[in-house]
Amino acid sequence: KAGVTQTPRYLIKTRGQQVTLSCSPISGHRSVSWYQQTPGQGLQFLFEYFSETQRNKGNFPGRFSGRQFSNSRSEMNVSTLELGDSALYLCASSLGQARGSPLHFGNGTRLTVT
Amino acid sequence: AQTVTQSQPEMSVQEAETVTLSCTYDTSESDYYLFWYKQPPSRQMILVIRQEAYKQQNATENRFSVNFQKAAKSFSLKISDSQLGDAAMYFCAFPDSGGGADGLTFGKGTHLIIQP
Repeated sequence: KAGVTQTPRYLIKTRGQQVTLSCSPISGHRSVSWYQQTPGQGLQFLFEYFSETQRNKGNFPGRFSGRQFSNSRSEMNVSTLELGDSALYLCASSLGQARGSPLHFGNGTRLTVT
Repeated sequence: AQTVTQSQPEMSVQEAETVTLSCTYDTSESDYYLFWYKQPPSRQMILVIRQEAYKQQNATENRFSVNFQKAAKSFSLKISDSQLGDAAMYFCAFPDSGGGADGLTFGKGTHLIIQP
C-alpha cells in the first residue's frame, strides 16, 4: 500500500506570493491533517479534514487554509507569504474514526520564503 | 490547553545500551492517548509507540517501552539495546482538545545520538 504522498518536496517562493501544497493520503484513509514544523516553534497543528469537512483547526492566521476533495486528497494554501512561513509542512492521514488513531505522515514539503 | 514538555533537547547513548527519554504533559482529561513519534533525517515522522491512559499496563513494542505515570502526568520512552538506526528526533505527542481526531500537540523533541 502506498504511503502518504506530499508534493512538491521543495518550494521556493517570494514574500507576498501564495502557495498550494498537496497531500495524497493512504488509500482508505479519510482524515488528513497538516502540521507546520520550524526550528523555533517546533511542530504545530494547522488543521484537520475528514470527509471534506474541516474538523479541527490550530491557532494560525486566516492566510492558512485548506480543503479536502471527495477522494480524500487534501491541499493547503498559504496566501500573502511571509518570511516566517518558511518551514517544513507535514501532512498525515488516518482512518480518522477516533482520537488515538495512529497518524501516517508524508515526507513533507520544505517551503522557503525569500 | 494541553501542554507537552520534553526537558532533554539532546541525549547521547552508546550502541547496545539503554536510554530513557522524558516527557511530561498537562491535561484535565481523564481518558486519552499518548504517543511517541520518531523523525529520522529523512524527515518522515514514524509512530514508535502509543499508550491508552485508561490502561494500567505500560505499552511495549519490541525494544521500545514506556513508563506511564498517570497521576504524575509523565510518559517516558525507554529504548533498550540501542541501535544506530535509532538515531533521530523523538517527539512526545498528545491529542489536541479542539475536536476532531487527529490534531496533536507535540513536545519540542529530543535529539537522540547513538555512539558506535
